[in-house]
Amino acid sequence: DTGVSQNPRHKITKRGQNVTFRCDPISEHNRLYWYRQTLGQGPEFLTYFQNEAQLEKSRLLSDRFSAERPKGSFSTLEIQRTEQGDSAMYLCASSLREGLSYNEQFFGPGTRLTVL
Amino acid sequence: GQQLNQSPQSMFIQEGEDVSMNCTSSSIFNTWLWYKQEPGEGPVLLIALYKAGELTSNGRLTAQFGITRKDSFLNISASIPSDVGIYFCAGSGDYKLSFGAGTTVTVRA
Repeated sequence: DTGVSQNPRHKITKRGQNVTFRCDPISEHNRLYWYRQTLGQGPEFLTYFQNEAQLEKSRLLSDRFSAERPKGSFSTLEIQRTEQGDSAMYLCASSLREGLSYNEQFFGPGTRLTVL
Repeated sequence: GQQLNQSPQSMFIQEGEDVSMNCTSSSIFNTWLWYKQEPGEGPVLLIALYKAGELTSNGRLTAQFGITRKDSFLNISASIPSDVGIYFCAGSGDYKLSFGAGTTVTVRA
């Protein structure tokens, strides 16, 4: 399967702990995005990378959040000092910044975070 | 918050029926996309639209990019039980997607 993969699929943590999620995009895709989705809502944009450069961060991404894509391939999203309000599904997507399909973003299965 | 207004919020449909849902925005988008999401999974891309007025089909699905570039609709023809799920519209300028709140479709057998 050559789709977007995310690990772990589920994470339960206690308030105040740090968590890290990983995303592996479709191999030839040079853009990678992170979104957050809460119950009953559509995904909300957090940040995106073109190759290894992080080009935009949403206001939703507080100082406790950091994302990296060190070699322009996989990406990690870290949340420090988790709060109960961080409980959500964290989705990763990738796209190819070329041609007519440049905005077709393909999503991974998500990481469901529960903060107790 | 969400920029897009998606309606209806939910619908119960009879198997074999045609259904329609739409999405409006206060902003102009260059691209409209429609996704389907099932419980515990990520959204799956159904259709992408790139030109105002464009009408595109994917099997029993048909979607249109509104002339004003501020709206789009999705039709599902001859619905079947596996059409159950949440359908999201999304608009994009150049990179990030802005999503509607979704239309939950439940099919009565």
